[in-house]
Amino acid sequence: AQSVTQLDSQVPVFEEAPVELRCNYSSSVSVYLFWYVQYPNQGLQLLLKYLSGSTLVKGINGFEAEFNKSQTSFHLRKPSVHISDTAEYFCAVSDSELTGGGNKLTFGTGTQLKVEL
Amino acid sequence: EADIYQTPRYLVIGTGKKITLECSQTMGHDKMYWYQQDPGMELHLIHYSYGVNSTEKGDLSSESTVSRIRTEHFPLTLESARPSHTSQYLCASSEVRGNTIYFGEGSWLTVV
Repeated sequence: AQSVTQLDSQVPVFEEAPVELRCNYSSSVSVYLFWYVQYPNQGLQLLLKYLSGSTLVKGINGFEAEFNKSQTSFHLRKPSVHISDTAEYFCAVSDSELTGGGNKLTFGTGTQLKVEL
Repeated sequence: EADIYQTPRYLVIGTGKKITLECSQTMGHDKMYWYQQDPGMELHLIHYSYGVNSTEKGDLSSESTVSRIRTEHFPLTLESARPSHTSQYLCASSEVRGNTIYFGEGSWLTVV
């Protein structure tokens, strides 16, 4: 079984400051990792994903994340946030194709990023 | 990028009513999913499908049912809605060999 832990339920940050949203996962098999963003009253939009290769993954809207296998982490970072980044961010994990699993996602509980002026 | 459409976006209904949440995707994806999300909580998989005539229960038990008669269509039905069914329901899809799941904008259901 897989699980995802997002340690921070809320992260307040001032505009133009850097931010890191933490995500740790546990799995006994090889995994894919994802970050999704959810704006108020909307569905989920894919920010970025790690499948294989380079452990530093760049996504949309200036976000990036680094896969750390030894620490089983996939933290999301942005060097300078904007008011429009205020949203809920979800980390998710799925079995990789190598394990023959389907690509059902297991989600974390989400982190509310609130950017203030 | 997948285009997934959910209707209705917002619905308020009385207890005991039957409702169907519609979900359609235009990218020909074989795999489709329904996730349930309570306010401020994580998403839980309640149903999924690998293709036409394929439906499976997800990780979270749900009183809802689904059908997959056409590739592009994956409706979710509640025969008798209850206040405990109040939640957001998110439909999603992916390619058979794809590694990314694409979501619709969600249907907010309130049962009074």
